[in-house]
Amino acid sequence: EVQLVESGGAMVQPGGSLRLSCAASGFTFSSYAMNWVRQAPGKGLEWVSGIRGGGDGTSYADSVKGRFTISRDNSENTLFLQMNSLRGDDTAVYFCARSSDLQYYYYMDVWGKGTTVTVSS
Amino acid sequence: DIVMTQSPDSLAVSLGERATINCKSSQSVLATSNNVNYLTWYQQKPGQPPKLLIHWASTREFGVPDRFSGSGSGTDFTLTISSLQAEDVAVYYCQQYYSTPLTFGGGTRVEIK
Repeated sequence: EVQLVESGGAMVQPGGSLRLSCAASGFTFSSYAMNWVRQAPGKGLEWVSGIRGGGDGTSYADSVKGRFTISRDNSENTLFLQMNSLRGDDTAVYFCARSSDLQYYYYMDVWGKGTTVTVSS
Repeated sequence: DIVMTQSPDSLAVSLGERATINCKSSQSVLATSNNVNYLTWYQQKPGQPPKLLIHWASTREFGVPDRFSGSGSGTDFTLTISSLQAEDVAVYYCQQYYSTPLTFGGGTRVEIK
């Protein structure tokens, strides 16, 4: 069964850091680009970042550029999101999502259930 | 960035009736190299992640009921539910993947009248 399971969400103070993980199973992880998408409470979807299958290219939303870093370990079938300098507007459910292609971010055909990040003092 | 605008924000439709959701992009998402629209639709039910319904503007994902259909080209797109069922109550999002950053519409909430 194709599956994505996120972890690492927590409550953190403004200015703090957090590292999210997404464990993939049921497919050849290295053959797909991967993404993080977030959803603030009661709001719509926002694409945060993407990384190519080989890890050789990344892209970020302007709202997180310079603060967040996406990475992957293809030997461990795991996607990561390092989040630094967290702000209140980073509060959201963070979804890990598989792109339909190796190189391009395209549409997202498999989604995890999400992990919750709350930034609050 | 390509801005995606959905309308209406919400709609209530009787069971068995048609629901129509519109999505407009601030610039064309039609690639002239292959004449394909880089537009997708998702369905999200409360407490669940989004589910892929349609990609390339009109290709239904495997397992999606054929009452869901996508149409449009360039900057104007439509998701149609031909005969609304109770299980279709959800929020629907369009998303462009023509360029990064990938961007979503604001969502349309579909309810039963």
